[in-house]
Amino acid sequence: KQEVTQIPAALSVPEGENLVLNCSFTDSAIYNLQWFRQDPGKGLTSLLLIQSSQREQTSGRLNASLDKSSGRSTLYIAASQPGDSATYLCAVIGYGNKLVFGAGTILRVKS
Amino acid sequence: DGGITQSPKYLFRKEGQNVTLSCEQNLNHDAMYWYRQDPGQGLRLIYYSQIVNDFQKGDIAEGYSVSREKKESFPLTVTSAQKNPTAFYLCASSNPPGLTGELFFGEGSRLTVL
Repeated sequence: KQEVTQIPAALSVPEGENLVLNCSFTDSAIYNLQWFRQDPGKGLTSLLLIQSSQREQTSGRLNASLDKSSGRSTLYIAASQPGDSATYLCAVIGYGNKLVFGAGTILRVKS
Repeated sequence: DGGITQSPKYLFRKEGQNVTLSCEQNLNHDAMYWYRQDPGQGLRLIYYSQIVNDFQKGDIAEGYSVSREKKESFPLTVTSAQKNPTAFYLCASSNPPGLTGELFFGEGSRLTVL
């Protein structure tokens, strides 16, 4: 059974700092991995999708990498801003089309 | 604008009542999903459907029911058999991984049992 773990569970950083969020998964047989952002009381917003054949994706200040063989993904946020404060979730989709989520990392960027 | 619409946003229910949460998408996606989110926990899959008139149980299907009569609609009924229904419910849709596989979510419905 696929399990997804996110470390750290919570993170507080000063504005302007570069930071890395980690996601690990136990079964490397995945189609893709997706990073989401969730603001309190809201739905999830897709940030980046990495197909299993790709190693990374970039969008603005965000960069996500994928290492299938080691079962790891990282989300890199450059020059963090208070508006980046949210919960970040990663999810993997494997054969059978079931998406499995991690518990998330709560990020707070202090101004 | 393309997207997923969930309604109602907030819902209060008395114990013993069934309630139905609506989920509509105009993204022309084949697959639709229902997730439940509880404080401090990750999302847990309730039901999913990969095609019209077909759906499968997820990890926590007990006390819930769904239907998929139309491609754009995937309503979730929370029955009185669900022991602890107070939660935040999220609907999502995607095309199969062979196409893009990117998952899109609605804004959620918060159900409170009084």
